[in-house]
Amino acid sequence: GESVGLHLPTLSVQEGDNSIINCAYSNSASDYFIWYKQESGKGPQFIIDIRSNMDKRQGQRVTVLLNKTVKHLSLQIAATQPGDSAVYFCADTGNDMRFGAGTRLTVKP
Amino acid sequence: DTEVTQTPKHLVMGMTNKKSLKCEQHMGHRAMYWYKQKAKKPPELMFVYSYEKLSINESVPSRFSPECPNSSLLNLHLHALQPEDSALYLCASSLYRDSDTEAFFGQGTRLTVV
Repeated sequence: GESVGLHLPTLSVQEGDNSIINCAYSNSASDYFIWYKQESGKGPQFIIDIRSNMDKRQGQRVTVLLNKTVKHLSLQIAATQPGDSAVYFCADTGNDMRFGAGTRLTVKP
Repeated sequence: DTEVTQTPKHLVMGMTNKKSLKCEQHMGHRAMYWYKQKAKKPPELMFVYSYEKLSINESVPSRFSPECPNSSLLNLHLHALQPEDSALYLCASSLYRDSDTEAFFGQGTRLTVV
């Protein structure tokens, strides 16, 4: 099937800085995307989602941006905290919940 | 209740053993998923059930046998596994297959094959 993938495997930021995690998808028919956070030894946890009729959605300290032209989405985390350290995945429900490679976010105190 | 419950949390089994992983949800979800996750890798889709019927089998070896006895339960029967099958096995559910809603994940079963 078509893939959802991430650009960068690791990201290290200073506490308090903003983080940006990117994801590319290849299925132009995809219409719903989810960002998940996975902490060590735990299952993925929903962070935020976005539908293809939107280009931006905001949550608490998180924002997802969708660019359908280049088939790219990003997750922005404001004022990154140590508790944000985890692996972040994007998933495409139009692709039967297949995951991209993931980005490991490390927050330095 | 927005929980997906997986049992056991940890399992150690020999290569000649038969064991089962269990997954349960009471959210009325009609799509359920099994994933395998190796260390430092993303969850890898294995099976998808939709309305208790197998919709997707990602060419998984027959030593893994899924079963969906009812809309709340999903099992993964294991037989004659290999050490390389050691991984975290995750179960998830969503309202429907391809629905524009999130999938909820269990905490996984950490499987070690010796």
